[in-house]
Amino acid sequence: DVKVTQSSRYLVKRTGEKVFLECVQDMDHENMFWYRQDPGLGLRLIYFSYDVKMKEKGDIPEGYSVSREKKERFSLILESASTNQTSMYLCASSGLAGVNEQFFGPGTRLTVL
Amino acid sequence: GESVGLHLPTLSVQEGDNSIINCAYSNSASDYFIWYKQESGKGPQFIIDIRSNMDKRQGQRVTVLLNKTVKHLSLQIAATQPGDSAVYFCAENGGDYKLSFGAGTTVTVRA
Repeated sequence: DVKVTQSSRYLVKRTGEKVFLECVQDMDHENMFWYRQDPGLGLRLIYFSYDVKMKEKGDIPEGYSVSREKKERFSLILESASTNQTSMYLCASSGLAGVNEQFFGPGTRLTVL
Repeated sequence: GESVGLHLPTLSVQEGDNSIINCAYSNSASDYFIWYKQESGKGPQFIIDIRSNMDKRQGQRVTVLLNKTVKHLSLQIAATQPGDSAVYFCAENGGDYKLSFGAGTTVTVRA
């Protein structure tokens, strides 16, 4: 079974702090994604990566950056956390070329005070 | 921009009845659609997918119907069970490797 793990289930940070959210997948997938999930808005894509050291902006990249130094790991970075970044963050991965099923991690609920 | 949406944010279903969850999409070029189920406290889990060269696909207790003429997607759940209570998302391919998600429908199963 594909397993996508996220470093924390719950996280509380203060405004202005630098925040790292880590995601690891164990299926040698090429593609990895970071979403945020807010009530009534569904899942919105922040960034994605289709290869090591490659990254592409999603629909809402402002205030975020990412890092993919190894194939299995994709990190989301909030350089200076703000209260409007309080949300559920979901990581996903998919394999092969083209569009396929994405496998999701359990999510990290981030609260910025 | 293109968007994927669900017709109703909530659906209440009697246990044992069939459920139908609807989704409208706007990108006529989309060729892949997928349904996810998200239970409380968990990440979304794959239910079923369909490519645009099909209009129907069946899984275990679930059926996805695709009507490309009116850009409509639906998920049918047969004999709904309490474990089916969750938020259901439809998604379409948004180009490259991306999926565009709808806002979700919360399904509540009444005993």
